[in-house]
Amino acid sequence: ELKVEQNPLFLSMQEGKNYTIYCNYSTTSDRLYWYRQDPGKSLESLFVLLSNGAVKQEGRLMASLDTKARLSTLHITAAVHDLSATYFCAVDEETSGSRLTFGEGTQLTVNP
Amino acid sequence: DAMVIQNPRYQVTQFGKPVTLSCSQTLNHNVMYWYQQKSSQAPKLLFHYYDKDFNNEADTPDNFQSRRPNTSFCFLDIRSPGLGDAAMYLCATSLGDEQETQYFGPGTRLLVL
Repeated sequence: ELKVEQNPLFLSMQEGKNYTIYCNYSTTSDRLYWYRQDPGKSLESLFVLLSNGAVKQEGRLMASLDTKARLSTLHITAAVHDLSATYFCAVDEETSGSRLTFGEGTQLTVNP
Repeated sequence: DAMVIQNPRYQVTQFGKPVTLSCSQTLNHNVMYWYQQKSSQAPKLLFHYYDKDFNNEADTPDNFQSRRPNTSFCFLDIRSPGLGDAAMYLCATSLGDEQETQYFGPGTRLLVL
């Protein structure tokens, strides 16, 4: 059974600071996704990582994937309040008609 | 432009009273999914359709059923809702190729009284 673990689960940080969220998974996969969820809202796709060494950046967020270590990171640079949300990583086990297993989520609060 | 649409956004039902949640998509995607997300938890896949092929997760209760009458629509039927079924239900779609980004609808929040 695929297990996906995120840490930390709760993160409170000051604006302007940097931090990294980690996502570990238990089986071989080269397809990993990051989603953002605001309170009471649906999931918004942030990044799709489809190969070992993949790095994607959008604004203050950068995601990377190391399939050998079974690890993905979501790095936050110079955080701003608008980044406050819950961030989920999800791993795809299958090659067609994806079946995602989500991590527990990291609840990020950026304080002014 | 709305791509994955869920109706209703909020649904209140009584314990044991059947309820149907609706999802439609304008993306012409092959795959449609239903997730259950309880408060402060990760989304949990209930089942998905690849075209007309239905794929049930092993631990999805029999109380949950789904129908996909055509490419655009997919329904989640809860035959006898219990208090533990109160959750956000998320519909998602994907194309069904190598780029398997799933696009999520806004969700239906179900309350069981």
